[in-house]
Amino acid sequence: AQTVTQSQPEMSVQEAETVTLSCTYDTSESDYYLFWYKQPPSRQMILVIRQEAYKQQNATENRFSVNFQKAAKSFSLKISDSQLGDAAMYFCAFYTSGTYKYIFGTGTRLKVLA
Amino acid sequence: DAMVIQNPRYQVTQFGKPVTLSCSQTLNHNVMYWYQQKSSQAPKLLFHYYDKDFNNEADTPDNFQSRRPNTSFCFLDIRSPGLGDAAMYLCATSRKQGVFRDTQYFGPGTRLTVL
Repeated sequence: AQTVTQSQPEMSVQEAETVTLSCTYDTSESDYYLFWYKQPPSRQMILVIRQEAYKQQNATENRFSVNFQKAAKSFSLKISDSQLGDAAMYFCAFYTSGTYKYIFGTGTRLKVLA
Repeated sequence: DAMVIQNPRYQVTQFGKPVTLSCSQTLNHNVMYWYQQKSSQAPKLLFHYYDKDFNNEADTPDNFQSRRPNTSFCFLDIRSPGLGDAAMYLCATSRKQGVFRDTQYFGPGTRLTVL
C-alpha cells in the first residue's frame, strides 16, 4: 500500500525568505505522479506543482520548486521569496496511474511572518 | 470561469435530518470525487465516479450515498447526519485520459454543521 508522510505539522518563514517543506512516500509502483496542493484558510485547494515520476528533472513553477529524489522516495517543496499569501496548509499527494485515487499526506501548516 | 462549483458553501442541518450537497463542473471531466475533510486533517476519500461507475471506499459509512445523474453533476446524500459528520466536504474532478489526467481540480467545499 502507498503511504505519504509529511513530518512537519507546522513551519514558519520570514517574508522574502526561503522555506522547504518535506514529504516522503512509499510505493512499489514505477508509474506515478506527485503533487503539492495549497489550501489557504477557508479557501479552495489549488494545485501548486506536479511531478511525473519518470522525469528526472525537478518541476518548477515560478517561486515554487521541488527536489524529487526518486531513489530516496522524497519530494520536498521549496518556496522562494515567501509572501504573506503563501500562508496556507500544504498537502503532498501521490497518484498511481489507473487508480484514479490520491493518497494525501497529513499536511504542513505554513505561517509567513511579516 | 468557475470550474468546480459546490452548493451550498455552508450547510447547517439537525442531527438525523437528511441533507444533500451538490457539485457541478464545467470541465467535462469523466471522474468525480467526494472527500470529507475534518479540521486540519488530510482529505479522506469517500467515493468516486469513473463516468457512471460508482466506486465506494471500504470504510465509507453506509450513511453516505452519492448520485451522478449526468457528467456535470454529482450529489452527496447524508441520510442521517451525526455530530461526527460535521466537516468540510470537497468535490474534485479529473480527466479519464489525456494530458494531466492525473491532476485533480477541487471545488471550494461545503462546510457542514450538524446541530
